[in-house]
Amino acid sequence: QVQLQESGPGQVRPSETLSLTCSVSGGPIGDYYWTWIRQPPGKGLEWIGNVFKSGNSFKNPSLKSRVEMSLDTSNNQVSLQVNSVTAADTAIYFCARSLSTSVTYPFYWGQGTLVTVSS
Amino acid sequence: QAVLTQPASLSASPGASASLTCTLRSGLNVATYRIYWYQQKPGSPPQFLLRYKSDSDYQLGSGVPSRFSASKDTSANAGILLISGLQSEDEADYYCMIWFNSAFYVFGSGTRLAVL
Repeated sequence: QVQLQESGPGQVRPSETLSLTCSVSGGPIGDYYWTWIRQPPGKGLEWIGNVFKSGNSFKNPSLKSRVEMSLDTSNNQVSLQVNSVTAADTAIYFCARSLSTSVTYPFYWGQGTLVTVSS
Repeated sequence: QAVLTQPASLSASPGASASLTCTLRSGLNVATYRIYWYQQKPGSPPQFLLRYKSDSDYQLGSGVPSRFSASKDTSANAGILLISGLQSEDEADYYCMIWFNSAFYVFGSGTRLAVL
């Protein structure tokens, strides 16, 4: 059974870097596409980007310059960094995994972690 | 103009059917897109329901009841999520998504379905 658990600081100061980790159990991370999605409180979903073991990644153009994603296969973790955050980056952040290596859409989701940008 | 437009809310009666629409922006042809649908209940992450491009390119998520299905209205340039035999547990937010410009996924704004 695949399980994903996001973790990170609940609060980040404006202009700083938001760093999140998605810890994965139930299978190696290297065989799938990993996606980050966020949801401002009470609002809709925003696709941030995805990453594959080859280093291939796709990013939302609106966030591209501020986002980095990576895989740590030795620890079975997926990471997200968002630089120069503002209040608009306050959201629940979800990590998600594809169903297989042949598809990229998010299938399995973590419970999400709330990040508040505030001084 | 948003890439994908969904009505903010919809209500339907238990046992009835509900059609949730996902309209593509002018200039985009719904026939060429695979549309993904997700259900999100309060306090929970979204759950994959199904993906649909055509009747021959269609996948229902594992464990998703067959009451959920999809189609397209090419005249309206929209994808449709059809839920038949509505149950109270279907009350949720529903999001559509497409792979856009061969570069990134885009979500619709979501529809809140009330089963009254």
